[in-house]
Amino acid sequence: GENVEQHPSTLSVQEGDSAVIKCTYSDSASNYFPWYKQELGKGPQLIIDIRSNVGEKKDQRIAVTLNKTAKHFSLHITETQPEDSAVYFCAATSNQFYFGTGTSLTVIP
Amino acid sequence: DTAVSQTPKYLVTQMGNDKSIKCEQNLGHDTMYWYKQDSKKFLKIMFSYNNKELIINETVPNRFSPKSPDKAHLNLHINSLELGDSAVYFCASSQRQKNTEAFFGQGTRLTVV
Repeated sequence: GENVEQHPSTLSVQEGDSAVIKCTYSDSASNYFPWYKQELGKGPQLIIDIRSNVGEKKDQRIAVTLNKTAKHFSLHITETQPEDSAVYFCAATSNQFYFGTGTSLTVIP
Repeated sequence: DTAVSQTPKYLVTQMGNDKSIKCEQNLGHDTMYWYKQDSKKFLKIMFSYNNKELIINETVPNRFSPKSPDKAHLNLHINSLELGDSAVYFCASSQRQKNTEAFFGQGTRLTVV
């Protein structure tokens, strides 16, 4: 099955700085890569996703990049705000969702 | 309207008891999942049902039994609860054929005392 690794496990940044979270996957058949944000006491929610035929996607302050050859993808958050503080999960999927181990992001005001 | 709803949100019970968690989705998805999230926040797949049929059953004690009466519902029944079962359990659904995002419920925090 798929193996998704995610780094770092914790990340603290100053408000206004950028945050980068990286994931690698093992199964070359994976073709869909969503990113989820989980706030305290809530279920994970999709924030951005990318398919294997695209190298980069951007949505306001959030961007995701995918390197299919190297089997890694990254989440970039620019101009971080305190409300970005949460746990972020990457996932790789073909027919089944395999989640990374999560990154706890803290944005310090 | 809530897309994926699970009940109860909190469940406190004694060791040895049997309990159920219910999940319903109104998105018309064909696949539903149960995930367990431990204290380290790892999201571990437990079961996956596609059109009411079990397609994934990860290494989960057989005290856990999922039941899917129809495509919109996937319930989780747990027998003889143990302290180690304490966790947050999430139900999710997706449209497997389209390979799109999974939608998660709000979670059920199970505490076994």
